[in-house]
Amino acid sequence: DIVMTQSPDSLAVSLGERATINCKSSQSVLYRSNNKNYLAWYQQKVGQPPRLLIYWASTRESGVPDRFSGSGSGTDFALTISSLQAEDVAVYYCQQYYDARRTFGQGTKVEIK
Amino acid sequence: EVQVVESGGGLVQPGGSLRLSCAASGFTFNRYWMHWVRQAPGKGLVWVSRINDNGSDRDYADSVKGRFTISRDNAKNTLYLQINTLRVEDTAVYFCVRGGWDGKDLDYWGQGTLVTVSS
Repeated sequence: DIVMTQSPDSLAVSLGERATINCKSSQSVLYRSNNKNYLAWYQQKVGQPPRLLIYWASTRESGVPDRFSGSGSGTDFALTISSLQAEDVAVYYCQQYYDARRTFGQGTKVEIK
Repeated sequence: EVQVVESGGGLVQPGGSLRLSCAASGFTFNRYWMHWVRQAPGKGLVWVSRINDNGSDRDYADSVKGRFTISRDNAKNTLYLQINTLRVEDTAVYFCVRGGWDGKDLDYWGQGTLVTVSS
């Protein structure tokens, strides 16, 4: 199975400041045939199910604020929140869907400093 | 509005069985792959299983292969997960998730149903 490793495990950022979460896959999740990275990011707030934020590594899901952005290719990816808001406090997960057997990163908890 | 609603969770003894259900509405169920994802209390997300649109193709995580069976009834717009030989480590919230199109993988999540395995 493809192993997904996120860093850091937790992050405390001041309101209005930038937050960056990294995600590394144990093998490339880039499909050469369509040049797409099969990598998604999810946000999970306390007591709620996860919510899809980003797919294909950098495409924002409809309704997701533009302060959220995804980047990277191959095995190294990042989720950036350009200006942290109080409502962004959550755990964020990366996930690969390159392989039939999906795998998630361990999650990164984002808090307000 | 797209909705997936899980049911069937509860308290079960080790070695027991349970069948989870997921009622789907607001979309053409028989055109979508469906997944189960679980989350142990205070822990991260773990993918469990998926099934294709007509039920002919299924995949499982190693940790559940041989004990869990995913199935669907497209006439009833319902997804199932039969869980056998339950272990304490199967204790988790089980989410039913729609597999999206056009690059979106897990695009709609239910609220989840809690399975507790304890003697």
